Amino acid sequence: SQKIEQNSEALNIQEGKTATLTCNYTNYSPAYLQWYRQDPGRGPVFLLLIRENEKEKRKERLKVTFDTTLKQSLFHITASQPADSATYLCALDDTNAGKSTFGDGTTLTVKP
Amino acid sequence: DTAVSQTPKYLVTQMGNDKSIKCEQNLGHDTMYWYKQDSKKFLKIMFSYNNKELIINETVPNRFSPKSPDKAHLNLHINSLELGDSAVYFCASSQSRGAETQYFGPGTRLLVL
Repeated sequence: SQKIEQNSEALNIQEGKTATLTCNYTNYSPAYLQWYRQDPGRGPVFLLLIRENEKEKRKERLKVTFDTTLKQSLFHITASQPADSATYLCALDDTNAGKSTFGDGTTLTVKP
Repeated sequence: DTAVSQTPKYLVTQMGNDKSIKCEQNLGHDTMYWYKQDSKKFLKIMFSYNNKELIINETVPNRFSPKSPDKAHLNLHINSLELGDSAVYFCASSQSRGAETQYFGPGTRLLVL
């Protein structure tokens, strides 16, 4: 069956460190993968998209990698700040079904 | 200007009632979606419309009926509300059916008592 798993429900790190979030999937062949940020009481907000033929994508302090062999994406936030505290969702392109399917999210807390 | 807006923001109602949630997007997008997010934060697609045509209809009780009067609006009507319907409902839009990025509304928090 198809599955998307994001590492540990919660991740706590110290300010200034690099946060690494994982998204693993099975029985999908996504053409692309996206990462969204969701703050409490708000809707998800798009951050980055990486395509199957891209290994890495960067945007400011954010970096995403995509390994279609391992069926995994890593999402890194360098020099993390308390303002980065939020829930981060990965979303897979489920081309056959014509939709994106979301993981269940990882809640990141950056402590000062 | 709010890109994707939903009303109401909060909805508290009794079991068995019928309620509607409205969504509007001013982005000029062709495709709109309804998602349900449960208490465990799992975001699950319910419906999708492209230019007022239903294109995705997941396994959702037929008490839920979406309606798209035009491509800027997508409403969700729920009949005979049940306790298990309590969740946050998000509307989203994307430029086209094959477009990748979705823009989400602020959510409607539904509590069924």
